[in-house]
Amino acid sequence: AQSVTQPDIHITVSEGASLELRCNYSYGATPYLFWYVQSPGQGLQLLLKYFSGDTLVQGIKGFEAEFKRSQSSFNLRKPSVHWSDAAEYFCAVGLKTSYDKVIFGPGTSLSVIP
Amino acid sequence: ETGVTQSPTHLIKTRGQQVTLRCSSQSGHNTVSWYQQALGQGPQFIFQYYREEENGRGNFPPRFSGLQFPNYSSELNVNALELDDSALYLCASSLLQQKNYGYTFGSGTRLTVV
Repeated sequence: AQSVTQPDIHITVSEGASLELRCNYSYGATPYLFWYVQSPGQGLQLLLKYFSGDTLVQGIKGFEAEFKRSQSSFNLRKPSVHWSDAAEYFCAVGLKTSYDKVIFGPGTSLSVIP
Repeated sequence: ETGVTQSPTHLIKTRGQQVTLRCSSQSGHNTVSWYQQALGQGPQFIFQYYREEENGRGNFPPRFSGLQFPNYSSELNVNALELDDSALYLCASSLLQQKNYGYTFGSGTRLTVV
């Protein structure tokens, strides 16, 4: 069955430090991959997505992610974290079915220390 | 372009009651997907509507049902509410033909069942 795991439930970083959020997926083929961010009480905002091609994907707000087929991973990175980046981050897999079904991971909560 | 709007924003219901949640899709989008997000978890796919018909369904019982209207707006109905139905319900609209999973999420409806 398809699944998405995010090993880190909660991460705390200092403002200005680098960030890496981990994501692993289980799927029979190369899926569509996404990272979403959710601020408290808000819906989900798409940070970036990978469909094919270059395995390093640039997104909004200075985020990037790298697809590694051999590791079934799609880790999210940011070189310098800002206090406004504190939020919940979800990795997601889009299944190649006749409809747009997206499976989300459990999320990683990011706290930023001033 | 208008985004996705959901109503109401908050709702409290009693166990056994029925509830209807509403979603207006983004202008130009023809598909609506509904997700349930329990506290501290990632969103779970309930179902998707395209051309006024259910186009895919997740692992939710039949008491979760929906509708899509000619203007592409949608309703999620839940009968015989249970305490575990307490969650944030998210609606996402997209343009199915693009197959690019261009989901736009609403801010959600927070349902509390007591």
